[in-house]
Amino acid sequence: GAGVSQSPSNKVTEKGKDVELRCDPISGHTALYWYRQSLGQGLEFLIYFQGNSAPDKSGLPSDRFSAERTGGSVSTLTIQRTQQEDSAVYLCASSSPFGGSSYEQYFGPGTRLTVT
Amino acid sequence: GNSVTQMEGPVTLSEEAFLTINCTYTATGYPSLFWYVQYPGEGLQLLLKATKADDKGSNKGFEATYRKETTSFHLEKGSVQVSDSAVYFCALSNDYKLSFGAGTTVTVRA
Repeated sequence: GAGVSQSPSNKVTEKGKDVELRCDPISGHTALYWYRQSLGQGLEFLIYFQGNSAPDKSGLPSDRFSAERTGGSVSTLTIQRTQQEDSAVYLCASSSPFGGSSYEQYFGPGTRLTVT
Repeated sequence: GNSVTQMEGPVTLSEEAFLTINCTYTATGYPSLFWYVQYPGEGLQLLLKATKADDKGSNKGFEATYRKETTSFHLEKGSVQVSDSAVYFCALSNDYKLSFGAGTTVTVRA
């Protein structure tokens, strides 16, 4: 079946612009996660969704970052007023059916964001 | 909080050599432990996992044993192939989010 998909695969934007990154999880997966992979910080957790609710947003680095999920499926990560330090690969993952530590998280290919 | 420390790379090996990547962790409670692999140009994929002490995870000739007494989860493969060239990440979770190590780049030469 189809895996986790993300779009766009690459995004170049100017400093100060807003960007939206999209994630389509595996059908039926109720848990969805966003991570960021950057040279200086490695792989960091950003936010966790269970259904449409986000019980843990603790990894979002600033209030310029927000995310939503609709219909228990697609999620959008929005970065407002982008800064150069936001340049990274943004990864989305999903797991079934309830999340939890022993459930495998399936990762998408990522969106490479470059802020110039 | 949770943290994962893994051997820094890069690691370069010849085909059929033995590979070990060390991983130690700090966590509260009893986390699940994972090794993820990222092949060139591809996304992260789960290589193996162990959910309790003394469990051994294995896949594609790779093995790792959950050692609670030494808080370690070292990855091993007895005979590597060129196709094993990738970045390997050790990770843990005791709720839903993964905490990753910095990653180890492994290059296998023919």
